[in-house]
This record gives sequence, structure tokens and C-alpha cells, in this order.
Amino acid sequence: RKEVEQDPGPFNVPEGATVAFNCTYSNSASQSFFWYRQDCRKEPKLLMSVYSSGNEDGRFTAQLNRASQYISLLIRDSKLSDSATYLCVVNIGNRGSTLGRLYFGRGTQLTVWP
Amino acid sequence: DAEITQSPRHKITETGRQVTLACHQTWNHNNMFWYRQDLGHGLRLIHYSYGVQDTNKGEVSDGYSVSRSNTEDLPLTLESAASSQTSVYFCASSILRTGDTGELFFGEGSRLTVL
Repeated sequence: RKEVEQDPGPFNVPEGATVAFNCTYSNSASQSFFWYRQDCRKEPKLLMSVYSSGNEDGRFTAQLNRASQYISLLIRDSKLSDSATYLCVVNIGNRGSTLGRLYFGRGTQLTVWP
Repeated sequence: DAEITQSPRHKITETGRQVTLACHQTWNHNNMFWYRQDLGHGLRLIHYSYGVQDTNKGEVSDGYSVSRSNTEDLPLTLESAASSQTSVYFCASSILRTGDTGELFFGEGSRLTVL
């Protein structure tokens, strides 16, 4: 079983739509969580961290449910420029240590059309 | 501006040849990582280093080696290239141990084809 599972999509939505991605992780020792964005044939870049209380950055909202071991990313008012692949990333570390490792999901592809 | 660069960006080689992919960062980051990205697998960790003379195996390290003789460079060597190693390779660095910020800074990637 993979450490991090994501629906690969693709998600095709019109401009202005709201779209949500989910991600599940298998290791309950996971310590921290992130969403990265990867444009076609480019390198991944950090989009946002995911905090236990949920967090928002403009049109983007990330939430974490530790009990169910899933993470979500909500994008409101989608823009053409949001078209990319969104990677769910989980840090699995040793208890009491920061010597964790990042595990990447396969990514969810989003296309926003005019 | 500080950056992380990979070379070559594209390479075609033959089975059995030795290949080295270079990674150089100017942020003075202690931590450096090599990933490969393949369709259906996402990013998988090959090797990583937390500092000079420190190297560690990731989840797909067989057939690969790294060395860390200075802070700036972490070259990835394929001792005897195999067709299964055809992939896009990303180098990354971070200032803190992963888990503190989660922010890895990636190079632009090296596309390797093994014929």
C-alpha cells in the first residue's frame, strides 16, 4: 500500500468553479502535511502547508483530518493559471525527532477551461 | 539570486554506461535530495544527504550512488545505466530537516533516456 494516495483525475472545470482534491495517507506517525504544485514539465513548488486547524491562503483552503487520515485542498474561483498537477506530500518522521522523510502522492491533474 | 541547478537537462545514453547527473545549489543548504519522477509513481526518493560526508539511501536507491564532498554539490551517479532508469530526475535542497517547513527547493529536472 502506498504511503500517500491521491485521485489522479484529471479534473476539468470552468473558470470560476470550486474544486476540491482529497488525499489519504496510511501512516499514523505522519507529522506534517503539504500541498505542492507542479506545472507541466516543470519542477514542483510548495503551495501551502496544512495545519491541524485548517488554513487558508487566498482562494486556497487546506484541511487535515488526522482521525480519518486525509488531507484536502479546496480551490475557489478557479483561474486558468490554476491548471497544474497538485501533489499531496506527507512527512513521516520518528517520534520525538525531526528526521522525517517526505512522501509524495502521484498528483491530481487540474485543467481550468475558459 | 540563490538557486539550484541541474545538468545536463537532457541526456540520452546506452545501457551499461556510467552516467552522472550534477546538482549545484548556492543557498548553502545542508540538506539535499535526489528524486525520480515516473508516470504512475509520482516522486520517489533515491538518495539524500544532511551534510558534507553524509549520504543516505532512499526508497529506490538500487543502481544509484551519491557523494557529498562539499555543501553545494550532490552528484548522482548511475553506475551501469539500465532502461528502467529512464526517468526525469529532480534534485532538491532544504535549509532544515524535512518536517520543519516541508519546503524543498527543486532544480528544473534532468530528463534521462537509456536506450
